[in-house]
Amino acid sequence: NAGVTQTPKFRVLKTGQSMTLLCAQDMNHEYMYWYRQDPGMGLRLIHYSVGEGTTAKGEVPDGYNVSRLKKQNFLLGLESAAPSQTSVYFCASSRASGGYEQYFGPGTRLTVT
Amino acid sequence: GENVEQHPSTLSVQEGDSAVIKCTYSDSASNYFPWYKQELGKRPQLIIDIRSNVGEKKDQRIAVTLNKTAKHFSLHITETQPEDSAVYFCAASKGNEKLTFGTGTRLTIIP
Repeated sequence: NAGVTQTPKFRVLKTGQSMTLLCAQDMNHEYMYWYRQDPGMGLRLIHYSVGEGTTAKGEVPDGYNVSRLKKQNFLLGLESAAPSQTSVYFCASSRASGGYEQYFGPGTRLTVT
Repeated sequence: GENVEQHPSTLSVQEGDSAVIKCTYSDSASNYFPWYKQELGKRPQLIIDIRSNVGEKKDQRIAVTLNKTAKHFSLHITETQPEDSAVYFCAASKGNEKLTFGTGTRLTIIP
């Protein structure tokens, strides 16, 4: 099993450009999450999904959109990148919420210039 | 919503000594408290968790204690080794709600 994978691993964008980050999991998990990690701020939840076809806002959703068309995939989109979105992005999945281990992907380092 | 505070932000200990990281939470209804370890350049991974019906849980050199009255929980690492150097995150959740993470503690083990 590959677990949770993310593509790409690194990306540099110019302000105003758009991009999509792809997360895939092969554990048949219902829940999937997108976090951003910034120095001194821990892991902050951007958006999450409780099942195929569902999405919900997390703590810091502004400037991002998500889609979960297939159970195994969770896409994070940036429509118009800003320097404030420079961060490391982690995807995670879990069997359910509240009391279940979250399995994280390897992360995507995004720099917006 | 839930608020989780974690202290200290950095911690250095001599190899072989013990390390303690503390977290406080705001929502008294929270009932699940995991700890994640993130080595440099790697993904966070669960190392231990505790539920509100238990006061302490141990797994070899690591243990977590929970004080529901005071709304705080702690990670204890004994006989620290170089491979314990990492960033540690605490988190809390209640029911089926999502996890709220602390801001992390960078632990450095001094050989």
